[in-house]
Amino acid sequence: GENVEQHPSTLSVQEGDSAVIKCTYSDSASNYFPWYKQELGKRPQLIIDIRSNVGEKKDQRIAVTLNKTAKHFSLHITETQPEDSAVYFCAASPSGGSNYKLTFGKGTLLTVNP
Amino acid sequence: DAGVIQSPRHEVTEMGQEVTLRCKPISGHDYLFWYRQTMMRGLELLIYFNNNVPIDDSGMPEDRFSAKMPNASFSTLKIQPSEPRDSAVYFCASSADPSLGQTPYEQYFGPGTRLTVT
Repeated sequence: GENVEQHPSTLSVQEGDSAVIKCTYSDSASNYFPWYKQELGKRPQLIIDIRSNVGEKKDQRIAVTLNKTAKHFSLHITETQPEDSAVYFCAASPSGGSNYKLTFGKGTLLTVNP
Repeated sequence: DAGVIQSPRHEVTEMGQEVTLRCKPISGHDYLFWYRQTMMRGLELLIYFNNNVPIDDSGMPEDRFSAKMPNASFSTLKIQPSEPRDSAVYFCASSADPSLGQTPYEQYFGPGTRLTVT
């Protein structure tokens, strides 16, 4: 089955700096890669996703890049703010038929220091 | 829409007792997922359903765990008998069916049930 590795496990940055979180996956059939943000005590919520026919996607201060050849994808947050502090999870999913199962990375605790 | 609804929000029980967690997916969503979250193991998929039918239960830890989806608007996750190592936050999530041209793939999570087994 799919295996998703996520690094780093913790990341501390100063407000205004950029943050980068990286993930690798093992199943070449995966073609959907979402990122979820989970604030303390809350539910995970989708913040951005990318599909395998796209190399990069941006949404305001958040961007995701995908390298299918190397089987890795990354989340980039620019101009970080204290409210960006949370745990971020990457995930991968093969699709086709009725298989829409997400495999999550272990998460990255991002702390943005004011 | 109220989103995914889970109950109870918190459950404290003694080892050996039966625990039943409940989930109501977003209306119209055809996929329902049960996850368990712990510090050590992260977010693990336990089982998921499509149109009320279990598709993949390979993540269910052992026979003490069972899940059902008797209709499109209700699912249960049962642990019998419960053990202290089952203590975790259990999330239910639902998503639309991508093959039907609906908003594809995004899983909407419920608020979770925090289970403590003493």
